[in-house]
Amino acid sequence: AQSVAQPEDQVNVAEGNPLTVKCTYSVSGNPYLFWYVQYPNRGLQFLLKYITGDNLVKGSYGFEAEFNKSQTSFHLKKPSALVSDSALYFCAVRDDTGFQKLVFGTGTRLLVSP
Amino acid sequence: DTEVTQTPKHLVMGMTNKKSLKCEQHMGHRAMYWYKQKAKKPPELMFVYSYEKLSINESVPSRFSPECPNSSLLNLHLHALQPEDSALYLCASSPGDRSNQPQHFGDGTRLSIL
Repeated sequence: AQSVAQPEDQVNVAEGNPLTVKCTYSVSGNPYLFWYVQYPNRGLQFLLKYITGDNLVKGSYGFEAEFNKSQTSFHLKKPSALVSDSALYFCAVRDDTGFQKLVFGTGTRLLVSP
Repeated sequence: DTEVTQTPKHLVMGMTNKKSLKCEQHMGHRAMYWYKQKAKKPPELMFVYSYEKLSINESVPSRFSPECPNSSLLNLHLHALQPEDSALYLCASSPGDRSNQPQHFGDGTRLSIL
């Protein structure tokens, strides 16, 4: 079965510094990976996805993610964090049944301090 | 602004009440989803509709009854809920249930069961 792991419950970073939110995956077959962000009292917003192609994926709001097949990782990155990036981040993988059933990680809370 | 609209935003109901949650999208998507999300946890898939037909039911109790009247609307009928059903209920849509395009989420209905 497909699964993703987010090893950090919380990541703290100072504004202006680079940020990384970690995600590792376990899949049978090709991985279809997604990152979503959730602000308080809001739904999930799509940031970026990896299906095939370049290992460095660029997404919304200046975020990018690096797909690493050998390390089975898909870490989310941003060169310069903003206070407004503080939110809950979910990594997800598409289920291997062929349906677009997403399997989510447990989430990582990002806190960016001024 | 979210392209998936959910109403109401908040709902408080007793265990004997009957109520409905509504979801609407006008992006021409043919797959629609219901998720349940507890605080600080990832969303849990409940139901998937594909082309207005129920394609996935994740063993959800019968006190939750989904309905897809047309390709733009998705309802979740609630009856005789339990306090543990208090959660954020999220609706999502995607072009198809087997596409690799991301799901678009609404902002959810926060449900409280007294």
